[in-house]
Amino acid sequence: GAVVSQHPSWVICKSGTSVKIECRSLDFQATTMFWYRQFPKQSLMLMATSNEGSKATYEQGVEKDKFLINHASLTLSTLTVTSAHPEDSSFYICSASLAGRVHYEQYFGPGTRLTVT
Amino acid sequence: GIQVEQSPPDLILQEGANSTLRCNFSDSVNNLQWFHQNPWGQLINLFYIPSGTKQNGRLSATTVATERYSLLYISSSQTTDSGVYFCAVVYTGTASKLTFGTGTRLQVTL
Repeated sequence: GAVVSQHPSWVICKSGTSVKIECRSLDFQATTMFWYRQFPKQSLMLMATSNEGSKATYEQGVEKDKFLINHASLTLSTLTVTSAHPEDSSFYICSASLAGRVHYEQYFGPGTRLTVT
Repeated sequence: GIQVEQSPPDLILQEGANSTLRCNFSDSVNNLQWFHQNPWGQLINLFYIPSGTKQNGRLSATTVATERYSLLYISSSQTTDSGVYFCAVVYTGTASKLTFGTGTRLQVTL
């Protein structure tokens, strides 16, 4: 149980275009989903927290107009990287929280590798 | 914010060896998780362990919350144990946000 999927697993896009990444909880309802970013050989950095039906909460330094997050249902959250630039190239990982079951244990998707050329 | 430091940063083991990975955190926590990130980037949940000791096969973990550290033990290591091990904490007052540690990169050789 507690499976989280992400799509696509990798994407290459041209500078200036937008890219949408989907995160789905497959076998549970996730009231809260999280988006992380990971640069090579570094740790994960939280970008934002999204709760179903409300606006996402962004961490300090994360541009909310550039990284648009939508959490329209209890099983789906999307991250859209708008007007992507090469410095946005990174590994993006989502997670979903089983809040109310095991005190906020988070389960992670397989990640999306974004390359902006 | 909270600081989460892991040691050692890098570790090379021969297959069959045992190891202990350490996670130190600078403030009170409500939640602590250990993860293994495999070479493809997938994070695999190992333990949810805000306090106490748990075991799962060749792996076990202990968290001493009052002294602000957690240990992950790997026994009889296998090449499939290679990857990066992260601890991550939810510190008091931050709802469910995980702060990740610096990671330990483990390589198990034949």
